[in-house]
Amino acid sequence: GENVEQHPSTLSVQEGDSAVIKCTYSDSASNYFPWYKQELGKRPQLIIDIRSNVGEKKDQRIAVTLNKTAKHFSLHITETQPEDSAVYFCAASGWVTFGTGTKLQVIP
Amino acid sequence: NAGVTQTPKFQVLKTGQSMTLQCAQDMNHEYMSWYRQDPGMGLRLIHYSVGAGITDQGEVPNGYNVSRSTTEDFPLRLLSAAPSQTSVYFCASRGGGRTNTEAFFGQGTRLTVV
Repeated sequence: GENVEQHPSTLSVQEGDSAVIKCTYSDSASNYFPWYKQELGKRPQLIIDIRSNVGEKKDQRIAVTLNKTAKHFSLHITETQPEDSAVYFCAASGWVTFGTGTKLQVIP
Repeated sequence: NAGVTQTPKFQVLKTGQSMTLQCAQDMNHEYMSWYRQDPGMGLRLIHYSVGAGITDQGEVPNGYNVSRSTTEDFPLRLLSAAPSQTSVYFCASRGGGRTNTEAFFGQGTRLTVV
C-alpha cells in the first residue's frame, strides 16, 4: 500500500513569515494529493488539493507543489497568521493513509 | 445535508465493557473509514469499507470490529475496552468511486477507558 512520510513534525514561525511542509510518497500510481488542517479539538478539514496532472495550485496564501519524478509534494503558507496555527496532514491518493502530521505554531 | 455524523461525542467506559461508536453519512459515499488519534499523534487507520458489505482492516484493527450493512452507516464496535483504547475516534467518508476525492470527517468521539 501507499506509504506517506511528512516533515517536519513541528514547525514554529514568526507571524508574517512563510511555512513549508513536505511529504513524500511511495506509490508512483498515486494521483491525488490533499492537505488537511486540524485545529485544536476539531476535525480535520480539506484546505487544498492537487492532482497529478498539475504541478502547482494556489489559493490565496496557501499553495501546493507536486514533483512526480521525486514523488514529493509540499504545502506552502505565506504571510502566516496566528489562525494558521494547527496540525496539518497530507495524504496520497486521497483517503486511507495520512502523513504523521505537522504541528505549526505561528508566534505573534 | 448533515455530512458525517458521529455519536456519542464523549464516552467513558470501564475496562472490559463493550460499546458501539456510530457513524452515519448522508452524501451517498461509497468509502468510509475509522481512525484513532492519540494525543499529539496522527491519524491511524482502524478499519475501512469500500461499499456496503465490504470491510477491511487498517493499521490498528485489534480490539475493534466493523460492519457495513448499508451505504449510510459504518459502526465501530469495541469488544472489550482497554485503557490503551483511550483516544479520539474519527469516522470519515468520501465518494467519487475510483476517482480520489476529498475525505469528510465526523466531529469525533472522545473515549476514555478507566
